[in-house]
Amino acid sequence: DGGITQSPKYLFRKEGQNVTLSCEQNLNHDAMYWYRQDPGQGLRLIYYSQIVNDFQKGDIAEGYSVSREKKESFPLTVTSAQKNPTAFYLCASSIAPAAVNTEAFFGQGTRLTVV
Amino acid sequence: QQQVKQSPQSLIVQKGGISIINCAYENTAFDYFPWYQQFPGKGPALLIAIRPDVSEKKEGRFTISFNKSAKQFSLHIMDSQPGDSATYFCAARTAGNFNKFYFGSGTKLNVKP
Repeated sequence: DGGITQSPKYLFRKEGQNVTLSCEQNLNHDAMYWYRQDPGQGLRLIYYSQIVNDFQKGDIAEGYSVSREKKESFPLTVTSAQKNPTAFYLCASSIAPAAVNTEAFFGQGTRLTVV
Repeated sequence: QQQVKQSPQSLIVQKGGISIINCAYENTAFDYFPWYQQFPGKGPALLIAIRPDVSEKKEGRFTISFNKSAKQFSLHIMDSQPGDSATYFCAARTAGNFNKFYFGSGTKLNVKP
């Protein structure tokens, strides 16, 4: 089955701790994204990557970091610098380049809670 | 600022009724407009999508209407069912060198039996 796998489904973070959210896709998509979802605010782009070893900041990158060492993997680290990390995090991927009709396909999300 | 504005924030419809969700945008660089359906605790799933050179697209009970001159598009759910109760997001994609998606703030639909 082709798809996007996010893990873990639930994650608890203590104050001052860094945590890493996993995202793996077997769709052979070039582009991958991380979004944050808060109630009533829709999806906000944290980081995105078009190819291996390249990524760009989205609209709310502060306090987050990513890596793209493999095409199928795009982990997100929520650092202690992120002051309000409690949210639902969604990883997505899409075909690149943009010349074709293409949508973003999403994983099932990771709910991060600060304890 | 919000690149894609979506309304209403919530919607209650009786079973069998029509649900209508509206979105508006300003950026003329957007070239593709997907809609997503999200159930609680799950990731959004693609529902239907449209290009701006098409005024309407229908798939089953779901129809997108697109008004390019007004920079508005809407989702119509005909014969709404309780199983349609979910949050719906409109989105817009910028073309160019990279796919970048912008999402509306979401509409929580509740279809009453």
